[in-house]
Amino acid sequence: NAGVTQTPKFRVLKTGQSMTLLCAQDMNHEYMYWYRQDPGMGLRLIHYSVGEGTTAKGEVPDGYNVSRLKKQNFLLGLESAAPSQTSVYFCASSWDRNNEQFFGPGTRLTVL
Amino acid sequence: GQQLNQSPQSMFIQEGEDVSMNCTSSSIFNTWLWYKQEPGEGPVLLIALYKAGELTSNGRLTAQFGITRKDSFLNISASIPSDVGIYFCAGQSYSHGSSNTGKLIFGQGTTLQVKP
Repeated sequence: NAGVTQTPKFRVLKTGQSMTLLCAQDMNHEYMYWYRQDPGMGLRLIHYSVGEGTTAKGEVPDGYNVSRLKKQNFLLGLESAAPSQTSVYFCASSWDRNNEQFFGPGTRLTVL
Repeated sequence: GQQLNQSPQSMFIQEGEDVSMNCTSSSIFNTWLWYKQEPGEGPVLLIALYKAGELTSNGRLTAQFGITRKDSFLNISASIPSDVGIYFCAGQSYSHGSSNTGKLIFGQGTTLQVKP
């Protein structure tokens, strides 16, 4: 099992460009999450999904959209990137709401 | 919103020393979790705590769920160089009658460096 994988690992964007981050898990987990990690601030939840076809807002959802068309994939989109979105993005998944969240290796995004 | 205050922010210790870090909150949590993150990797779960007062060990690591449900601590005994990393506490809470979606609130992290 690969666990949770994220694509790409690194990306540099110019302000206003768009991109999609892909998260994939092969553990048949129902719950999936997108976090961003900034220095000195821990991880903050952007959006999450409690099952295929569902999405919900987390703590810092503005400027991001998500989709969960397939159970194993959770996509995070930036329609018009801003420098404030420079961060490391982590995807996580869990079997259910009370189980351990498994994290991917992260995507480092820089917006110039 | 809910916030966790984690301290200390960083520690630089000698190999063999014991380490202690803690998290406090103004809100009650039903679950406390401790994660470790190594450079270039995602966080990995170390210990999960589900009951107030619970004391749980995982090798040289010991964590406790505070009686008030507003705090937790993590101890590492006899530190070794591979303990280096960032340690995060995380809390999960839900109110009676509402759904728990598994959302976690993370502390700011404690960066641990160990000198051989």
